[in-house]
Amino acid sequence: QKEVEQDPGPLSVPEGAIVSLNCTYSNSAFQYFMWYRQYSRKGPELLMYTYSSGNKEDGRFTAQVDKSSKYISLFIRDSQPSDSATYLCAMSSTSGTYKYIFGTGTRLKVLA
Amino acid sequence: EADIYQTPRYLVIGTGKKITLECSQTMGHDKMYWYQQDPGMELHLIHYSYGVNSTEKGDLSSESTVSRIRTEHFPLTLESARPSHTSQYLCASSEYNREDTIYFGEGSWLTVV
Repeated sequence: QKEVEQDPGPLSVPEGAIVSLNCTYSNSAFQYFMWYRQYSRKGPELLMYTYSSGNKEDGRFTAQVDKSSKYISLFIRDSQPSDSATYLCAMSSTSGTYKYIFGTGTRLKVLA
Repeated sequence: EADIYQTPRYLVIGTGKKITLECSQTMGHDKMYWYQQDPGMELHLIHYSYGVNSTEKGDLSSESTVSRIRTEHFPLTLESARPSHTSQYLCASSEYNREDTIYFGEGSWLTVV
């Protein structure tokens, strides 16, 4: 079983929709949670990061962490065609090691 | 915005050639990483470094080698390229005591023919 599971999609939504992207994980030691956006043939771009449980909002994006369920989410409000990309979740522990674990990514397509 | 740069962005090379993928960052980060990513697949860590003169192999076995002579520079070398090395290579960096963020370059797309 992978340490991080992420639905690969593709997920197609109409412009203006609220998008929910999710990851589940198995390692309770993970404390730091990140979301990246990756356009085709580009490197991942950091969107948001959170520590431990709770919500964090940045513009149209909200990151949510539920450590009791080992579940994290990224919500995109008022989705735009420019949001069409692959979204990767990532997580790490406080051990100070190199170990960042990435999901396989969810492909999102926002239709105009 | 991340200040991490990779060259070349795209490279097509013949089997058996030696290649070096360059990576530089201007953020003063101690930790640097190389990941390999095939289209639609997850990232696999192939090398990492905690600082100058520190290099370690990652989770995915790789025939490449790395060096870290300067903090800002972390090149990856393939001594003899093979078609199985065709992939995207992503360089990344992070601050030493920060676990919550890792920044990526734009990637180098390598095709070995």
